[in-house]
Amino acid sequence: DAGITQSPRHKVTETGTPVTLRCHQTENHRYMYWYRQDPGHGLRLIHYSYGVKDTDKGEVSDGYSVSRSKTEDFLLTLESATSSQTSVYFCAISWDNYGYTFGSGTRLTVV
Amino acid sequence: QQQVKQSPQSLIVQKGGISIINCAYENTAFDYFPWYQQFPGKGPALLIAIRPDVSEKKEGRFTISFNKSAKQFSLHIMDSQPGDSATYFCAASKGGMRFGAGTRLTVKP
Repeated sequence: DAGITQSPRHKVTETGTPVTLRCHQTENHRYMYWYRQDPGHGLRLIHYSYGVKDTDKGEVSDGYSVSRSKTEDFLLTLESATSSQTSVYFCAISWDNYGYTFGSGTRLTVV
Repeated sequence: QQQVKQSPQSLIVQKGGISIINCAYENTAFDYFPWYQQFPGKGPALLIAIRPDVSEKKEGRFTISFNKSAKQFSLHIMDSQPGDSATYFCAASKGGMRFGAGTRLTVKP
């Protein structure tokens, strides 16, 4: 979607390696979120940010960390990737914590 | 624990028919109820949303019906078209979105 870009779009990594996914927005929205999407579970919140350097945990935060040093960038890091973290990861942005705009997703495979 | 329960998991409808997807929520503090549409390989996109002070909202062929006392809301797609084939997610929010598990809709020509 225009205004929000996720990179990479696809990644294959090995178990135990660190992985960083990037979300970049040009909308100057305050709120940014990381979700994972798995069959049968819908979208589950990993971490979110309500401002530069202000972040908090979501419902499935174990094994993940985030950083937001600039308004436009929100990074998701898998400290030591495991096969259970194979998923599609979506970033979303919002100016009011209600209406969300999602990125196109990153498909991550941990082998 | 899933705060928003969505049904059915999958739905097949003939072209021109009505598609109905249901959601139930637990937290009475939720004050915003959106529906998202997702096509394969794409991110979810906001389709339509409702606040709990109204019982129905209609946008074109898409209608949300909201029952506050039953803590339920549903999406109705009138005159369903093959182009509506997608996965639909309901959600509920009070400053923080909780999503249902999704419904895969197939509209047969």
